[in-house]
Amino acid sequence: KAGVTQTPRYLIKTRGQQVTLSCSPISGHRSVSWYQQTPGQGLQFLFEYFSETQRNKGNFPGRFSGRQFSNSRSEMNVSTLELGDSALYLCASSLVVGAENEQFFGPGTRLTVL
Amino acid sequence: DAKTTQPPSMDCAEGRAANLPCNHSTISGNEYVYWYRQIHSQGPQYIIHGLKNNETNEMASLIITEDRKSSTLILPHATLRDTAVYYCIVFSNSGYALNFGKGTSLLVTP
Repeated sequence: KAGVTQTPRYLIKTRGQQVTLSCSPISGHRSVSWYQQTPGQGLQFLFEYFSETQRNKGNFPGRFSGRQFSNSRSEMNVSTLELGDSALYLCASSLVVGAENEQFFGPGTRLTVL
Repeated sequence: DAKTTQPPSMDCAEGRAANLPCNHSTISGNEYVYWYRQIHSQGPQYIIHGLKNNETNEMASLIITEDRKSSTLILPHATLRDTAVYYCIVFSNSGYALNFGKGTSLLVTP
């Protein structure tokens, strides 16, 4: 069974631009979460989606937004990019909500903002 | 939010058991302990998770203390390919990671 896939794997943008990242969960998984990983801050929670609904949101500014489609694929968007947005963006999927269900991470999208 | 504390680095001889400790003294009753490892900034690879009982799978064993304030990941026969950064993470009952610190860099030597 294919794992979590994320596209693109690498992205270079300049300050002020916007970016859209995509995550396809493992087949049959309906819950998707997004995280930002940086060397200084570690991994920080962005959002969690289930059945096209955002269930939880982390402490990020409104420039960070996301959505989930009916096929469980999810996208996140960052507008007005800042240098500090450079990070590895990870998504994780699980069958349904609840931490008792195994959470699998994708390979990540490495975003560099110049 | 629950915080986790792990030693920054550990060494282990190939073929020996690697025991990686994690302190999560502020964990709440319905929060889970997950272990992942990450190699060269790839996505974290799932290893094992548990709530209060000890767990074992084909990769590792997870020992959680009775008071749930700490846990130990055991790789029974470490190989060179187990060299990675290991993260102990507390997940909310809802299913998202509450804390993801700097992990333990495990070096397996021949």
